[in-house]
Amino acid sequence: GENVEQHPSTLSVQEGDSAVIKCTYSDSASNYFPWYKQELGKGPQLIIDIRSNVGEKKDQRIAVTLNKTAKHFSLHITETQPEDSAVYFCAASLMEYGNKLVFGAGTILRVKS
Amino acid sequence: DTGVSQDPRHKITKRGQNVTFRCDPISEHNRLYWYRQTLGQGPEFLTYFQNEAQLEKSRLLSDRFSAERPKGSFSTLEIQRTEQGDSAMYLCASSLAGTPLLNTGELFFGEGSRLTVL
Repeated sequence: GENVEQHPSTLSVQEGDSAVIKCTYSDSASNYFPWYKQELGKGPQLIIDIRSNVGEKKDQRIAVTLNKTAKHFSLHITETQPEDSAVYFCAASLMEYGNKLVFGAGTILRVKS
Repeated sequence: DTGVSQDPRHKITKRGQNVTFRCDPISEHNRLYWYRQTLGQGPEFLTYFQNEAQLEKSRLLSDRFSAERPKGSFSTLEIQRTEQGDSAMYLCASSLAGTPLLNTGELFFGEGSRLTVL
């Protein structure tokens, strides 16, 4: 089955700096790669996703890149703000197979003001 | 629509007792998922339904766990004879699946039901 590894486990950045979180996946059949943000006491919330037919996607300060050959994908947050502090999870799935997401272990992002 | 709601938010029980969690998905969503999340880890898939049919169960889901979605709307997750290792956050999510155009892939999560087994 699919296995997703995520690095780093914690990341501290100064407000205004960029943050990068990386994930690798094992199943080359996976075709959907979302990123979720989880704040304390809340459920995960989708912030951006990418499908395997696209190499990069951007939404304001957030971007995701996908390298299918190397089986890794990354989340980039620019101009970080204190409200970006949260736990971020990457995930992978095969959408045709119930879209059952396999999550990474998470990255705690702290933005220092 | 208020999103995915879960009840109760917190449950403390003694080892050996049975507990039941309820999930009300977003009303038009036909898929419903249960995940379990322990401290410092990502959510782990337990099971999912398409309408009332339970289509897949993880090997993590022992015989003490049972999930239902009797009318294709709300779902319940029951844990019998709870053990301390069952202590976790149980997350429910829903999504709309159908044609590729409708299936955005996004899962909408509830805020979870935290179980503590003493």
